[in-house]
Amino acid sequence: DSGVTQTPKHLITATGQRVTLRCSPRSGDLSVYWYQQSLDQGLQFLIQYYNGEERAKGNILERFSAQQFPDLHSELNLSSLELGDSALYFCASSTSGTRNTIYFGEGSWLTVV
Amino acid sequence: KNQVEQSPQSLIILEGKNCTLQCNYTVSPFSNLRWYKQDTGRGPVSLTIMTFSENTKSNGRYTATLDADTKQSSLHITASQLSDSASYICVVSAHYGGATNKLIFGTGTLLAVQP
Repeated sequence: DSGVTQTPKHLITATGQRVTLRCSPRSGDLSVYWYQQSLDQGLQFLIQYYNGEERAKGNILERFSAQQFPDLHSELNLSSLELGDSALYFCASSTSGTRNTIYFGEGSWLTVV
Repeated sequence: KNQVEQSPQSLIILEGKNCTLQCNYTVSPFSNLRWYKQDTGRGPVSLTIMTFSENTKSNGRYTATLDADTKQSSLHITASQLSDSASYICVVSAHYGGATNKLIFGTGTLLAVQP
């Protein structure tokens, strides 16, 4: 158990819909990262938050947005969903520092039908 | 362009045998290199982290090496077990200051250990 909690574990929704994925980081971790992993693809970095502020942005679509709340949990919002958005979405967290271990949650499986 | 390339793409070995996975990278500014193990459908789990000055790091039967001059790393698995079957991902971190770490992921090596 990494200590990073993601909900829901599985989600099936229709095209055009909007979903919210939730992440609770490890206790004390200020950084939260979101990644997308499509079938047979590597992990693609979406976005990083640090202590409530956006810190780095990757290949995140405009239809996607995220935020980190004062209690440090984070949400990833996916809207106008398309079939190609079906993927495993991982949240990860870490403390600050360059040698910090980054701990991944178990992921949220999103299937768009 | 920051890139991490891993080889082989996939590998099948017999239980009890050793194997070595390779990672070549072009990442700047280099901060550290990590190896992760990812079971199918699960979150990646950290195996090792190495900075520029570290040549070798072990974690049980896993030993990672780093040659910062040639920008190469390897992950050696000793006496493989069936539970080692997973994808092994090389991740290189570029540090841009403060809390901003950009992780560049390799596409992984899929290892299958057969009885």
